[in-house]
Formats: sequence, C-alpha cells, structure tokens
Amino acid sequence: NAGVTQTPKFRILKIGQSMTLQCTQDMNHNYMYWYRQDPGMGLKLIYYSVGAGITDKGEVPNGYNVSRSTTEDFPLRLELAAPSQTSVYFCASRTGQDTNTEAFFGQGTRLTVV
Amino acid sequence: GQQLNQSPQSMFIQEGEDVSMNCTSSSIFNTWLWYKQDPGEGPVLLIALYKAGELTSNGRLTAQFGITRKDSFLNISASIPSDVGIYFCAGRPANAGGTSYGKLTFGQGTILTVHP
Repeated sequence: NAGVTQTPKFRILKIGQSMTLQCTQDMNHNYMYWYRQDPGMGLKLIYYSVGAGITDKGEVPNGYNVSRSTTEDFPLRLELAAPSQTSVYFCASRTGQDTNTEAFFGQGTRLTVV
Repeated sequence: GQQLNQSPQSMFIQEGEDVSMNCTSSSIFNTWLWYKQDPGEGPVLLIALYKAGELTSNGRLTAQFGITRKDSFLNISASIPSDVGIYFCAGRPANAGGTSYGKLTFGQGTILTVHP
C-alpha cells in the first residue's frame, strides 16, 4: 500500500530554473495539499485541492502553481526558482468525506535553490 | 495568518522520564492534532482530538483538547530512545461559516532528544 508518494526526494536547482514536484496517492482521496517546512517552523500551506479540476491558494502560494487533472495526482510547479524556495515540501491527502479523518503525508521533497 | 505557539522548542531528557509539551492559540480551534516527524520522513498522526475537554491516549501518549478550545497538550510517559523526533501540534480553526476543507495550521514543533 503506497499511500502518498512524492518524487523526487532531493533536488538542487539553480536560480531561475523551473521544476515540478510530483505527488500521487492511491487511496482515492478527494482532498490534497502541498505544504512547505522551513527550519524551526511548522508546515505552511501552499495550495490545496478538493477534487479533480479544483484548486485554491493556501497561506504561501506566491511563486508556485498547481493543477489537479486527476484524483490521484497533484503536481506542484516552480516556474522561476528563488533561494527563498529552499525548503522541504510535503504533499498530503485526505478523504474529504468524513470530517473526523485526517491527512496522510508523503515523505517529502528536499529542495535547495542555489 | 493563524498562529499556533508550541512549547518548548526543544527538550533533552533521560530515557524513562516523562515529557510534556503544549500548544496555544489566540483563537478557537475545533480540532487539535498531534504529529511526530522522524528524520527524512513526513509527519505521522499520533492523536486526534475533536471535542473540548477530550482526553485521548495512544499507548504511552496522552493528549487533551483544552476546555477553552485555545490549547492542547501532549504527554509522553516513560520515554524511550525511539521517541526521538519532532512533535508538531496542528489544528483547524473554528469557522464562522463554510468549511475549512481540512486545511491545517501547524505549531513550530518540539524537538525531542532522549539520552539512553
């Protein structure tokens, strides 16, 4: 049972480069989320989706884009990487149909922008 | 945005000791969660709390949803070396209307080190 799978696990980008962080879940969850985690800080919500074709901004969306063409996949796009985007990125999913169920997290993608 | 204040920031304890950490908010929450994060891994849910005053245990872990709905604590009894990690509180603010879609606000984390 794979759960939430993120790729890649590590990546180094140069300033101005672009990349897509992949996230896929095999639990048929409607809700998916992208968080970033900076040292000494809690996780902050970047974007979220409540179903295929529906996305919305979280607390820190600037510099990122998302899409949700299928229930399983929720990629996060960085178009012009900046040093401030150096962070660990976590994708999570949640069923969305039961208010007392909580999200499952992927293992994270550690991104360094130099 | 919403802020959760988690304390302490770090703890260094001896194996066998009990641990307590807490989380406070300036506004009311309707859900409190406690997660543990091991190095190189994503957060894993330990305990979920949905009612004010609720006290829930999971093995050696006990957490409570504060009666004011603005705080929560986590206790770990008889700590062992595998308790090492970062512990996060998280919650969903009470909304005046509409749904939160499961979005979470996280505390800054408590780094726990256990010496054998």
